[in-house]
Amino acid sequence: EVQLVESGGGLVKPGGSLRLSCAASGFTFSSYSMNWVRQAPGKGLEWVSSISSSSSYIYYADSVKGRFTISRDNAKNSLYLQMNSLRAEDTAVYYCARNSGYYDSSGYYYEMFDYWGQGTLVTVSS
Amino acid sequence: DIQMTQSPSSLSASVGDRVTITCRASQGISNYLAWFQQKPGKAPKSLIYAASSLQSGVPSKFSGSGSGTDFTLTISSLQPEDFATYYCQQYNSYPRTFGPGTKVDIK
Repeated sequence: EVQLVESGGGLVKPGGSLRLSCAASGFTFSSYSMNWVRQAPGKGLEWVSSISSSSSYIYYADSVKGRFTISRDNAKNSLYLQMNSLRAEDTAVYYCARNSGYYDSSGYYYEMFDYWGQGTLVTVSS
Repeated sequence: DIQMTQSPSSLSASVGDRVTITCRASQGISNYLAWFQQKPGKAPKSLIYAASSLQSGVPSKFSGSGSGTDFTLTISSLQPEDFATYYCQQYNSYPRTFGPGTKVDIK
C-alpha cells in the first residue's frame, strides 16, 4: 500500500526556519518525481515545488524561490522541504504528493499527482 | 505563469443531479489538465488527468473533456459522497497552477 507521511510542521516565528519531511513506503520511491503542495487555512491549493526522481530537475513557485529548498534521499525513501525566512503567508497545511508521470510511445506526457500524504500544518506567527 | 479560473465558484445541487464545472486556462495547455476532489480536512484526491482520462479506481460518473483553454468536469449523477471542492490544475508548464476551486454542496 502506498503511503506518504509528512512530519516536521509546527509553530515558528516570522523569519524562522523549519524542515518538513515526507516518508514514503509501498512503492519504489527512487522511480518517482515528488511534489510539495500547500493550502492556507480556508484557501485553495498552491503548488510549491517539484523534484525529479534523481534530483536532476527541481522547480519552485515564485512565492518560495530563494527561501525554500526541496531535496530527497532515495536511500531513506524520504522527501524534504527546507523552509527558511518564513513569513506569515507561508502558514498552510503542506502536502507531499507523488507524481506518476510518464511519456507514452508517441512522446505525449501524462502527469498524475496520484497519492498524497495527510499533510502537516505550518504556522508562522509571533 | 498560466492562470487557471473555474466557474462557478460554488454551486448547490441535489442528489441525482448532473453537475458540470468549467475550468479555463489563460493560454493554451493542450490537454495537460488534471482534476482533483477535496473533502474538508482531507488531502486532495486525483480524479482525472490528461483532461479526460479517469484515474484508476475513480467511478465512471466522473468525466472530463476539453482541450486548449477550456475544460469541463462532469458528475453524471451526484451522490452524497460527491459533495466536496473540485480543483483543476495545469501541467503544461512550471509553475504548476491550480484553479481556485468549485465547492459543491447540498441544495
